[in-house]
Amino acid sequence: DVKVTQSSRYLVKRTGEKVFLECVQDMDHENMFWYRQDPGLGLRLIYFSYDVKMKEKGDIPEGYSVSREKKERFSLILESASTNQTSMYLCASRSWGQGRSYEQYFGPGTRLTVT
Amino acid sequence: KQEVTQIPAALSVPEGENLVLNCSFTDSAIYNLQWFRQDPGKGLTSLLLIQSSQREQTSGRLNASLDKSSGRSTLYIAASQPGDSATYLCAVNNNDMRFGAGTRLTVKP
Repeated sequence: DVKVTQSSRYLVKRTGEKVFLECVQDMDHENMFWYRQDPGLGLRLIYFSYDVKMKEKGDIPEGYSVSREKKERFSLILESASTNQTSMYLCASRSWGQGRSYEQYFGPGTRLTVT
Repeated sequence: KQEVTQIPAALSVPEGENLVLNCSFTDSAIYNLQWFRQDPGKGLTSLLLIQSSQREQTSGRLNASLDKSSGRSTLYIAASQPGDSATYLCAVNNNDMRFGAGTRLTVKP
């Protein structure tokens, strides 16, 4: 079974703190994604990565950065947390390439509260 | 930019009913379309994946269809049960993934 894990289910941080959200997948998937989900706004793509050391901005990258030094790990960084970054953060991975399914798998999510 | 729309936004049915959830998308150049289920406060669970060359996929009481040329997909749930209550999202796979806003389903005992 594909497994996508996220470092925390719940996180509480203070305004101005630097926050790291970690995501790890165990199926050798090339692509990884970070989304945030807010009531009434649905899932919005923050960043995605086609492969190691590659990254692409999604729809709402402002205030976030990412790091993908190893294929299995994709980190989301909030450089200086703000209250409007309080949200549910979801990580996903996807296989990519000829003959692959391109099916996307999600982690359990991290509920981040910034006070 | 791909736009994905799901109708209805919410649906409430009595147990045992068959129901259809709808998903439409604007760009037909897709790799596949995926239906997910999300329970409150949880991540997304993949239900069905339809490749762009396929017309439908079935898993148990679930059947998903895809009409790529018209930009539509439907998720059919047979003999609904209270345990089916959740939010159902469709996602269209181009280079990135675009999600609809979801349909919140409530199945009443």
